[in-house]
Amino acid sequence: DTEVTQTPKHLVMGMTNKKSLKCEQHMGHRAMYWYKQKAKKPPELMFVYSYEKLSINESVPSRFSPECPNSSLLNLHLHALQPEDSALYLCASSQPRMARNSPLHFGNGTRLTVT
Amino acid sequence: TQLLEQSPQFLSIQEGENLTVYCNSSSVFSSLQWYRQEPGEGPVLLVTVVTGGEVKKLKRLTFQFGDARKDSSLHITAAQPGDTGLYLCAGRSRPGGTSYGKLTFGQGTILTVHP
Repeated sequence: DTEVTQTPKHLVMGMTNKKSLKCEQHMGHRAMYWYKQKAKKPPELMFVYSYEKLSINESVPSRFSPECPNSSLLNLHLHALQPEDSALYLCASSQPRMARNSPLHFGNGTRLTVT
Repeated sequence: TQLLEQSPQFLSIQEGENLTVYCNSSSVFSSLQWYRQEPGEGPVLLVTVVTGGEVKKLKRLTFQFGDARKDSSLHITAAQPGDTGLYLCAGRSRPGGTSYGKLTFGQGTILTVHP
């Protein structure tokens, strides 16, 4: 079982819907990440939070809005998505990214389908 | 922008065969990580290599970091169907500059081991 928990596992939403993806970790990690992954491709970084502050936004469209309520939780709010946004959304955590060898601990992702 | 070229992209072999996956870059990384991802799950860390020339073994898997810390390889001996998955290398950038600590993923290798 992964130590990073993501909910829901699957989500189908229309282009006018508003939904949220949730991620939780209890490893004491102070860096949390959102990645987007298309089939058979590597994960693409979207956002990084370090000590609950947004430190990296990889030019992600504003229809994706991240939130880090506390050191254990990470949310991704979705609004007015496009069909091409359908993908596996992965949450990960690590020691603060400045730690040289810090590996990422991934959740099992939310499979998002936008209709 | 640091790039990691991973090859081959696809690998389909019979049980018992050996294989090698390569990860190459023109950039120097402070460390390099290898992950494996199975369908429906997030990537899971296999190993982190830090020192140039380092070799690490994990059962039938052998990981090597190049002397100049620009390249790495993963060798699997006597592959088994359970080794099937997406293998990802990921390099962590060196100190200095805005991308310090950022993880750059290779394009991935999809390995299928047939019984």
